[in-house]
Amino acid sequence: GEDVEQSLFLSVREGDSSVINCTYTDSSSTYLYWYKQEPGAGLQLLTYIFSNMDMKQDQRLTVLLNKKDKHLSLRIADTQTGDSAIYFCAETYTGGFKTIFGAGTRLFVKA
Amino acid sequence: EPEVTQTPSHQVTQMGQEVILRCVPISNHLYFYWYRQILGQKVEFLVSFYNNEISEKSEIFDDQFSVERPDGSNFTLKIRSTKLEDSAMYFCASSDGFQNYEQYFGPGTRLTVT
Repeated sequence: GEDVEQSLFLSVREGDSSVINCTYTDSSSTYLYWYKQEPGAGLQLLTYIFSNMDMKQDQRLTVLLNKKDKHLSLRIADTQTGDSAIYFCAETYTGGFKTIFGAGTRLFVKA
Repeated sequence: EPEVTQTPSHQVTQMGQEVILRCVPISNHLYFYWYRQILGQKVEFLVSFYNNEISEKSEIFDDQFSVERPDGSNFTLKIRSTKLEDSAMYFCASSDGFQNYEQYFGPGTRLTVT
């Protein structure tokens, strides 16, 4: 079945790079996403990658996709205290519209 | 910038009561979704809706749940007889269906069943 796994916590110092990892099981995934959720707020789409791509860069964000290992990562360069939030990895699969979310990685940024 | 809105932001109800959660999707979007997030847990897909019918639903979306687009702007989720375990944050989302990579999420309605 479909499943998305993430580590639960990550702590970094301000100015360092953060790397949040995710593994997924559905090999027919079409889109893979990273969402950000700040306390008490909704889900904000940060970036996405098509399953036929290996990498996508968007300002401070770099997404890497390893299809063979079904591994997705999000790198945040020059992490700021405002980046502290929960980051959700998610996927949709070919032929469907539902999005399957991971449990979320809570990122703590220390000043 | 267009956004998805949801009302109310917080709903408290007694077990066994019916609740209706309301959403106003982005106006030119064609696909609508409900998700829920039990406190501290994953965001879970409930249902997707297109062309006035359900296009996909999860095993969570049983006969107690229903969705409706009663007019051209609102999209509702009804829970007929709430249970304690229905307490969660419910997120509505919409997408235009043509650039389906992005589902725009609303801020959520926190449902507390007592």
